[in-house]
Amino acid sequence: EVQLVESGGVVVQPGGSLRLSCAASGFTFDDYTMHWVRQAPGKGLEWVSLISWDGGSTYYADSVKGRFTISRDNSKNSLYLQMNSLRTEDTALYYCAKDISADYWGQGTLVTVSS
Amino acid sequence: DIQMTQSPSAMSASVGDRVTITCRASQGISNYLAWFQQKPGKVPKRLIYASSSLQSGVPSRFSGSGSGTEFTLTISSLQPEDFATYYCLQHNSYPPTFGGGTKVEIK
Repeated sequence: EVQLVESGGVVVQPGGSLRLSCAASGFTFDDYTMHWVRQAPGKGLEWVSLISWDGGSTYYADSVKGRFTISRDNSKNSLYLQMNSLRTEDTALYYCAKDISADYWGQGTLVTVSS
Repeated sequence: DIQMTQSPSAMSASVGDRVTITCRASQGISNYLAWFQQKPGKVPKRLIYASSSLQSGVPSRFSGSGSGTEFTLTISSLQPEDFATYYCLQHNSYPPTFGGGTKVEIK
């Protein structure tokens, strides 16, 4: 059974940093592209970042480019999102999702940016 | 970046109605489109991939069609459990982009 479990979401002040993790199981992790997708309270889905199976290619939404860094450790079946220079508009539920067309999603981890 | 314009943004429908939701891409995306259903407080669930392929376990009343720039999600006979918000996602080119969502409410 595919499982994706996000962690690391907390309340952080504007300008702060945070690292999210996504632990994967139930599939061959290093065969798949992985995404981070977020959803602000009461809003729609916003794609955030993507990483290729080997970590060699990464992509970012303009809203996070230069502030967020996606990475993965295939030896640990884990996906990460380093979030720096956080803004109030980054407040959202952050999901990791498997495969280019997002066939499986985790339950999400809540990031709140507030003073 | 490719923009995905989803319509309508909200609709009211009755149980048994046929419902059609449209996503238009700002440029051609072949068939690299997926549809998702999200119920309040729940994780998005993929319904359709590659424009028209039904995800395993999804009822056959859901169907997808289209290629290039125009895509549709059809629910042939709306059931009570189908009241939710639906999103399209293009992944033909990066960055991937979601449509704005369609909220299907009970009439």
